[in-house]
Amino acid sequence: GDSVTQMEGPVTLSEEAFLTINCTYTATGYPSLFWYVQYPGEGLQLLLKATKADDKGSNKGFEATYRKETTSFHLEKGSVQVSDSAVYFCALDGGSNDYKLSFGAGTTVTVRA
Amino acid sequence: ETGVTQSPTHLIKTRGQQVTLRCSSQSGHNTVSWYQQALGQGPQFIFQYYREEENGRGNFPPRFSGLQFPNYSSELNVNALELDDSALYLCASSSGGGLGQETQYFGPGTRLLVL
Repeated sequence: GDSVTQMEGPVTLSEEAFLTINCTYTATGYPSLFWYVQYPGEGLQLLLKATKADDKGSNKGFEATYRKETTSFHLEKGSVQVSDSAVYFCALDGGSNDYKLSFGAGTTVTVRA
Repeated sequence: ETGVTQSPTHLIKTRGQQVTLRCSSQSGHNTVSWYQQALGQGPQFIFQYYREEENGRGNFPPRFSGLQFPNYSSELNVNALELDDSALYLCASSSGGGLGQETQYFGPGTRLLVL
């Protein structure tokens, strides 16, 4: 079945550092790929998405590119802030006619001032 | 535009009891999905409802059941609660009828503790 593997955390960074969270996937169809963020005590917020190969999703300074050849969707941000401290989840759906999201285990990111 | 809302925010039950969780979908959305997120893990798909019918189900036993109402709001019911049911229950709504390649928007969740 479809699955997502995320870089294990926790990740601790200083403010203005570069952030990368690795995500690779296994899928039989043509999935859309997502990054969701969860702040302490809250639900999930969509951060960005990409629906086909070579698409780049971006939002709030975060970027991720859908790489079919390496089955990857790595999340990057060039200069993190304390407010970026959260848990980040990579997820995929199954493409057309496959609605459920499959999530990775999440990566906890802590940014220190 | 009103986002996805869930109630209650927190709930404590004892083993063997039954619980009902509620979700109001985002304005304009007709599809509701439910997920279970155990502590320290990613969410797991429970089931999805579209046009008041179950549109797909994950690997959860029949004691997990649901409803969707004509206004697209939804309930998740869990019977015979077990300790392992303690988790954050997330509701997500979308507008694509469950056909995939649609964005699901999540509510804040209901945290259930089973003692």
